[in-house]
Amino acid sequence: EVQLLESGGGLVQPGGSLRVSCAASGFIFKNCVMGWVRQAPGRGLEAVVEISSSGSATYYVDALKGRFIISRDNSENTLYLQMNSLTVEDTALYFCAKKSETSSWYEPFDTWGQGTLVTVSS
Amino acid sequence: EIVLTQSPGILSLSLGERATLSCRVNQRIDSIYLAWYQQRPGQAPRLLIHGASTRATGIPDNFSGSGSGTDFTLTISRLEPEDFAVYYCQQYMYLPGTFGGGTKVEIK
Repeated sequence: EVQLLESGGGLVQPGGSLRVSCAASGFIFKNCVMGWVRQAPGRGLEAVVEISSSGSATYYVDALKGRFIISRDNSENTLYLQMNSLTVEDTALYFCAKKSETSSWYEPFDTWGQGTLVTVSS
Repeated sequence: EIVLTQSPGILSLSLGERATLSCRVNQRIDSIYLAWYQQRPGQAPRLLIHGASTRATGIPDNFSGSGSGTDFTLTISRLEPEDFAVYYCQQYMYLPGTFGGGTKVEIK
């Protein structure tokens, strides 16, 4: 069974940093483009970033470039999102999602995790 | 910047009725790069449609997608209780793929 399990969310003060993780199982992780999508409370889905199957290429939404860093460890089947200089506007449920095992960028997200909640507050 | 605008924001319908959801993109995209997702309360999004009209694995045939260029439509032919949810369109021609604001389908 394909599974994506996010972890690492929590309460962080404004200006702080946090790293969230996504453990993947049930598919060939190293063959898939992966991404992070967030959802603020009561709001819609917002793209954050995508990373190539090898980890060598990334696409960030412009507004988050420079503060958020995506990475992956294909030997551990794990995706990461390092978030720095956090503001209250970064409060959201952060979803990890995968694309198909073709390594293609131009695919939809076919499976999503349940998300990890990041709350930025003093 | 590519922007997806979904309408209406809220659609109030009864069981068994037909739902028609719209997604308009501010620039032309190839239809193979348009997807629809369903999100039920407290759940993760689920892929319904990709390539504008291809149902994802396990999606029942009362869901259908159509459209091209800048205008796309998701149709639910007969609403069942589990179909009351929020629906999002996404383009993945320009990366990272971006989403519309969503349409909530609620019980009238």
